[in-house]
Amino acid sequence: AQSVAQPEDQVNVAEGNPLTVKCTYSVSGNPYLFWYVQYPNRGLQFLLKYITGDNLVKGSYGFEAEFNKSQTSFHLKKPSALVSDSALYFCAVTGGGNKLTFGTGTQLKVEL
Amino acid sequence: EPEVTQTPSHQVTQMGQEVILRCVPISNHLYFYWYRQILGQKVEFLVSFYNNEISEKSEIFDDQFSVERPDGSNFTLKIRSTKLEDSAMYFCASRLGGGTGELFFGEGSRLTVL
Repeated sequence: AQSVAQPEDQVNVAEGNPLTVKCTYSVSGNPYLFWYVQYPNRGLQFLLKYITGDNLVKGSYGFEAEFNKSQTSFHLKKPSALVSDSALYFCAVTGGGNKLTFGTGTQLKVEL
Repeated sequence: EPEVTQTPSHQVTQMGQEVILRCVPISNHLYFYWYRQILGQKVEFLVSFYNNEISEKSEIFDDQFSVERPDGSNFTLKIRSTKLEDSAMYFCASRLGGGTGELFFGEGSRLTVL
């Protein structure tokens, strides 16, 4: 079985400060990891993914994520947060099969 | 940019009624999915569909649920006899290939069962 844990229900950060949204995963075999963002009353938008190669992957809107195999983590980061980054963020994993399993989501709130 | 479209955006129904949610996936995609989200919380997998058959389904996807790709473009989710607990946002998604490709999601269909 594959699973994702997002230990923080909410993350608060001041605009201009770096942000981190945490994610750990469990999967059989090689992990394929994804981050999605959801704005209120909208669908999920793809941000970035890790398949193989460089552990630091860059995605949309200045976000990046670091894959750490030994810690089974895939934390989402951004060097300088914007108020417009405030949204619900989901980490997801698959072991290569059809099914993508999502975490419970982390609400990011960026304040002025 | 190609997108996944879903209709209706919101449906209100009485308990016990049948509901059909419709989706038009991105045209060259091969894998299709339904997920649901209750009260803006966890996104739960319902079913995946490939090559005109269900490839995987969750425990939620019981005999009351069915999916169909009737005409090569639409992908539908039917709930035969709705329950109060079926109230949720239902998301359709599609993917070009299996495994490593990202899912593209529609904007969702909000189902309210009274």
